[in-house]
Amino acid sequence: EVQLVESGGDLVQPGGSLRLSCAASGFTFSNYWMHWVRQAPGKGLVLISRINPDGSFTVNADSVKGRFTVSRDNAKNTLYLQMNSLVVEDTAVYYCASDVGINWGQGTMVTVSS
Amino acid sequence: DAVLTQSPLSLPVTLGQPASISCRSSQSLVYSDGNTYLFWFQQRPGQSPRRLIYRVSYRDSGVPDRFSGSGSGTDFTLNINRVEAEDVGVYYCMQSIHWPYTFGQGTKLEIK
Repeated sequence: EVQLVESGGDLVQPGGSLRLSCAASGFTFSNYWMHWVRQAPGKGLVLISRINPDGSFTVNADSVKGRFTVSRDNAKNTLYLQMNSLVVEDTAVYYCASDVGINWGQGTMVTVSS
Repeated sequence: DAVLTQSPLSLPVTLGQPASISCRSSQSLVYSDGNTYLFWFQQRPGQSPRRLIYRVSYRDSGVPDRFSGSGSGTDFTLNINRVEAEDVGVYYCMQSIHWPYTFGQGTKLEIK
C-alpha cells in the first residue's frame, strides 16, 4: 500500500523556521517527481515546490522562492521542505504528493503567529 | 501563470442527478508531446485531495465510472452522471504544463 506521511508541522513565530518531512513507502520513491502543496484554512490548493527523482532539479513558486527549499533523501525514502523566514501568510496545511498528485499524504499543519 | 477558472463555484445537486463542472485555462494545456496535462481532484470534507482524472479523460484506479472527463485545448469538463452522497466535497482542476502548476478555485458540490 502506498503511504505518504508528513510530519514537522507546528506553531512558529513570524521569522522562524521549520523543516517538514514526508516519509514514503509502498512504491519506488526514487523513481518519482515529488511535490509540496499547501492549503490555507478554508482556501484552495497551491503547489509550491517540486523536485525531480534524483534531487538534482528543484523549482519553487514565487510566493516561497528564496525562503523554502525542497530536498529528498532517496536512501531514506523521505522528502523534505525547509521553511525559513516564515510569515503569517504561510499558515496552511502542507501536503506532499507523488508524481502529479497520484498519491497524497494526510497533511501537516503549519501555523505562523505571534 | 496559467489561470484555471472553474464554474460553477457552488453546485447543489439532487441525489441521482448528473453534475457538470467546467474548467477553462488562460493558456493551452497541450504539450509538445501531444498530450494535454489537465487533471481533476476531489477533496472530501476533512480529507486530503484524491486524483480522479489524469490527462483530461483517463480515470485513476478505483475511481467509479460515473466520473468522466472531457475537453481539449483550454476548455475542460468533469461530469458525474449520477451523483451519490459520497461525492460531496470540493473538486479542483489542475494543469501541469506551465510552472507554476496551478489549480482552479474549486467547485463545492453539495446535496440539495
